[in-house]
Amino acid sequence: AQTVTQSQPEMSVQEAETVTLSCTYDTSESDYYLFWYKQPPSRQMILVIRQEAYKQQNATENRFSVNFQKAAKSFSLKISDSQLGDAAMYFCAYRSGNYGGSQGNLIFGKGTKLSVKP
Amino acid sequence: NAGVMQNPRHLVRRRGQEARLRCSPMKGHSHVYWYRQLPEEGLKFMVYLQKENIIDESGMPKERFSAEFPKEGPSILRIQQVVRGDSAAYFCASSRTDYSNQPQHFGDGTRLSIL
Repeated sequence: AQTVTQSQPEMSVQEAETVTLSCTYDTSESDYYLFWYKQPPSRQMILVIRQEAYKQQNATENRFSVNFQKAAKSFSLKISDSQLGDAAMYFCAYRSGNYGGSQGNLIFGKGTKLSVKP
Repeated sequence: NAGVMQNPRHLVRRRGQEARLRCSPMKGHSHVYWYRQLPEEGLKFMVYLQKENIIDESGMPKERFSAEFPKEGPSILRIQQVVRGDSAAYFCASSRTDYSNQPQHFGDGTRLSIL
């Protein structure tokens, strides 16, 4: 079974600085997708960024980028120019690349609570 | 285009009562997933449904929990005879297809509290 591990329960960053959140996963599959979700205090689950395992190029979305190391099964999230609104829980998630069926669900890590200091 | 709608936002029940949680997927989405988030935990998959069909319920507790997604109307997660341990946030997500590259869009969740 696939697992997702986030080893940093809490992280803190100064406003305008850069922070990296770690995520590792375990899988025997070669085709899969990885996601980072943000959960602010309002409890919404907001998709931040996603990465297809078959793509070597790291995904980027404005101030958010990932460092995807497939061989090491590592998928870290880098937030540049941190803003107060970035404060939230961040969840790393895995989804099998097998078509449909019982592999459709997301497998989440336990999350990292990010605080942004003004 | 409205997002995934969940109601109620908060639900309080006494032990032994029934809880019904509703989820209306995004327009054009026919795939619904339910997740449960215990305090200080990540989300855990419960059940995956398409219209009128349960595709995967491997994450559902064997007793007291059921889910449906009728042809008309929202998906319902039903918990019978609730216990304190059912207190959690329950999230619904929907997607247009079940292709793995399709993102799941989440609702705001229902926070269930058991007295």
